[in-house]
Amino acid sequence: AQKVTQAQTEISVVEKEDVTLDCVYETRDTTYYLFWYKQPPSGELVFLIRRNSFDEQNEISGRYSWNFQKSTSSFNFTITASQVVDSAVYFCALLEAGTALIFGKGTTLSVSS
Amino acid sequence: GAVVSQHPSWVICKSGTSVKIECRSLDFQATTMFWYRQFPKQSLMLMATSNEGSKATYEQGVEKDKFLINHASLTLSTLTVTSAHPEDSSFYICSAGGDRAFYEQYFGPGTRLTVT
Repeated sequence: AQKVTQAQTEISVVEKEDVTLDCVYETRDTTYYLFWYKQPPSGELVFLIRRNSFDEQNEISGRYSWNFQKSTSSFNFTITASQVVDSAVYFCALLEAGTALIFGKGTTLSVSS
Repeated sequence: GAVVSQHPSWVICKSGTSVKIECRSLDFQATTMFWYRQFPKQSLMLMATSNEGSKATYEQGVEKDKFLINHASLTLSTLTVTSAHPEDSSFYICSAGGDRAFYEQYFGPGTRLTVT
């Protein structure tokens, strides 16, 4: 059965610190997709990235970077030089064909100035 | 990305009444729609999956007679919470998927339901 584990419930950092959010997943499928979403206090989910199981290249987008390692079933997310606006709940999610997104429990990131 | 809207954004209702939440895909045809529920400080939990013109498939533990889902067109799905109780107070989020690729799913902004 598919499963997503975000072991870090809450993380607090000071502005300009780098922070990594961990995500470990379980699946029996060879084709699947992994996602990261940001949920600010407003509640609306903000899509950050989608990665398919055949593409293990790391990705960088501005201050955000993602490290996908199939060998450890992990898809970690790093924010470099964090800012107060990064404060939110971050969800990692897994999608297999024919199913709905399965979400991890989320990591609440608090960035203080 | 595609646009999915939800209406209303928030609603307060009295215990025992019914509430309807609409989910619309504004610029694509949504063959599949998913309904999620999120309690405070918790993750999103899938409630049901609906395909246009078919009956919804409910997740285990979700009462289908209480949470009525209708997906009558390719752009609209509705979730009706019947005889709402305070424990139904939650954040309800829909997502819509088109028929181009299963990984293309777009979330609505959510509806916050408070039952008093």
